[in-house]
Formats: sequence, structure tokens, C-alpha cells
Amino acid sequence: AQTVTQSQPEMSVQEAETVTLSCTYDTSESDYYLFWYKQPPSRQMILVIRQEAYKQQNATENRFSVNFQKAAKSFSLKISDSQLGDAAMYFCALPEDMRFGAGTRLTVKP
Amino acid sequence: GAVVSQHPSRVICKSGTSVKIECRSLDFQATTMFWYRQFPKQSLMLMATSNEGSKATYEQGVEKDKFLINHASLTLSTLTVTSAHPEDSSFYICSAKSPGGGNQPQHFGDGTRLSIL
Repeated sequence: AQTVTQSQPEMSVQEAETVTLSCTYDTSESDYYLFWYKQPPSRQMILVIRQEAYKQQNATENRFSVNFQKAAKSFSLKISDSQLGDAAMYFCALPEDMRFGAGTRLTVKP
Repeated sequence: GAVVSQHPSRVICKSGTSVKIECRSLDFQATTMFWYRQFPKQSLMLMATSNEGSKATYEQGVEKDKFLINHASLTLSTLTVTSAHPEDSSFYICSAKSPGGGNQPQHFGDGTRLSIL
């Protein structure tokens, strides 16, 4: 059964604006990690950010941050000051499950 | 950091040919590697889990006789597409997890674009 759900097949953002990509998940683990991967047109898979479930503080990596709501099993990715190079497919993932959800295709408009 | 190398990056061959794709973990030992297939504008579809020294575990619907996986060492897994046909044309990508337990992220190869004429 799919444990990760991304309900936004496509999203669009204006350059320099902020966009949030949604992800919900299901797991029976109490201590776990969550990841966001980016796949640009080159198709290279790049780890963007990771969140440890037992940490209260939301992870941040430069312009990328997460909004982690453990009780709601929600793990959204916020991209601030969007750049043209952010255009890509984005996948959220649970390390316990090697299967990916449908992903969200992000378009950045100049 | 952990690096996974995948080779070749691009293959174009005639129908009926068998094609071998290699996936190597360059600076760590990977007892488990993963093989994915990706169609244009779609997500990665897990094909199989490659286990060092034992048989691969295939996902439902993936033909094990068509997609042969061998994981003979702790740093190398190979995927062989046997008697490839145009419908096998796709992007194939492998990954391995960093050592240190199940919560480690995957490290991906750069993928192989396979085109069968």
C-alpha cells in the first residue's frame, strides 16, 4: 500500500515568490525520517531536505523549509524566493518505503 | 558523501538485444540496491530490490525473466534487460542507501536512458 501521498500533480510559482508543496504519509513507526527529493529535467535525483520525526523544530536548508505536522502526518515543503532552477519534479519519501508517490511538478515562471 | 555511479547513461540498440546496466556504490558498501523505471513525466516505479548474495525481490507485475538482476558484490548490482523490445524503452535508475540503518536517505545513480529501435 502506498504510504506517501502527494495530491498536487502540478504547481506553478512566479520567480521570487513562495510556494508550498504538500505531502501526507502513513507509517506505523514512532521514530522515523522524512525526505524531500528533487528531480530536475536532467533526471538526477537530489536530496533537498530531511526531517527527523522526533524533532519538534522544522528542518530548514537555505530557501527550503518544511512544515512538519506529526499528528496530522503532514510534511509539506516550502520554497522561498523561488528561482528558475527550482523547476523540477519533487518527491516526498519515507525511508522505510522505497516506493515513491506521484510527485509534484513545479514550474517557475520568470 | 555517498556516491552511486550508474553506467551507461544512454543506450540505443536494436530490438532483441540484451542490455546490461551497472550500478556501483563508490565509497560505501551497499547490501541492498534498488532499481526503478520511469516513464516521461511520471514518477519512479520500483521494479525490484537487489540483495547482495541472494535473489532479488521483484515488485508485482515486473517480469523477473525479462529484468535480470545480479548483485554479486557489496558495491555492484546489474540489471539486464533481456531480449529488449521497444516497449522496454524507458529511463532506468538505481539507488542505494547509505550505511547506518533504515532511516538513511537513498543515493541515486544518474540513470540510464534506454531506447530500443
